[in-house]
Amino acid sequence: AQTVTQSQPEMSVQEAETVTLSCTYDTSESDYYLFWYKQPPSRQMILVIRQEAYKQQNATENRFSVNFQKAAKSFSLKISDSQLGDAAMYFCASLPETGANNLFFGTGTRLTVIP
Amino acid sequence: NAGVTQTPKFQVLKTGQSMTLQCAQDMNHEYMSWYRQDPGMGLRLIHYSVGAGITDQGEVPNGYNVSRSTTEDFPLRLLSAAPSQTSVYFCASSYSLGGTLTYEQYFGPGTRLTVT
Repeated sequence: AQTVTQSQPEMSVQEAETVTLSCTYDTSESDYYLFWYKQPPSRQMILVIRQEAYKQQNATENRFSVNFQKAAKSFSLKISDSQLGDAAMYFCASLPETGANNLFFGTGTRLTVIP
Repeated sequence: NAGVTQTPKFQVLKTGQSMTLQCAQDMNHEYMSWYRQDPGMGLRLIHYSVGAGITDQGEVPNGYNVSRSTTEDFPLRLLSAAPSQTSVYFCASSYSLGGTLTYEQYFGPGTRLTVT
């Protein structure tokens, strides 16, 4: 089994500033994937960024980047140049490479963007 | 492609009633899953299926049944609704590529269920 911990229930950021959301995980798997999902008020789960555990290079998608520390089992999300549309719940999730492709989620961080 | 569809979007049940949440996907994905989302709990896996005719339990299966008679459909049945089943339910699908699991998960829009 895998556990994912998000220790920040809420975060806020000024528009155009940078914010980092924290995530730690625990797993006995040697190969796995890590994800950040965004859930706006519409409830739709939107994939923001993914990281393959075997890759040392941190993933980047436009304004979103991660800091993946495999030994520390840490996977934080950095949002640069924050926009009003970034306001949402953010979930960290893990997916073991073996198994049935099922995700293990953290409890989420609610991000508020202040104009 | 419609992707993953779920019906209904909202539902209110009385304690003890039964109902089925529908989930369908038109992408020919082998894997389908049901999650529930409770405040402060994130999403938790209820049941999943790795192909037609094959289902298995996830983290929180009690009170729910599933079946997978076709690749496209994966209904979730509440046998006797309880207030503890008040939640938002998400269906998701994914696929393998050449026998290797992929990481792509496609989520439906969710069903908000209230049990009074």
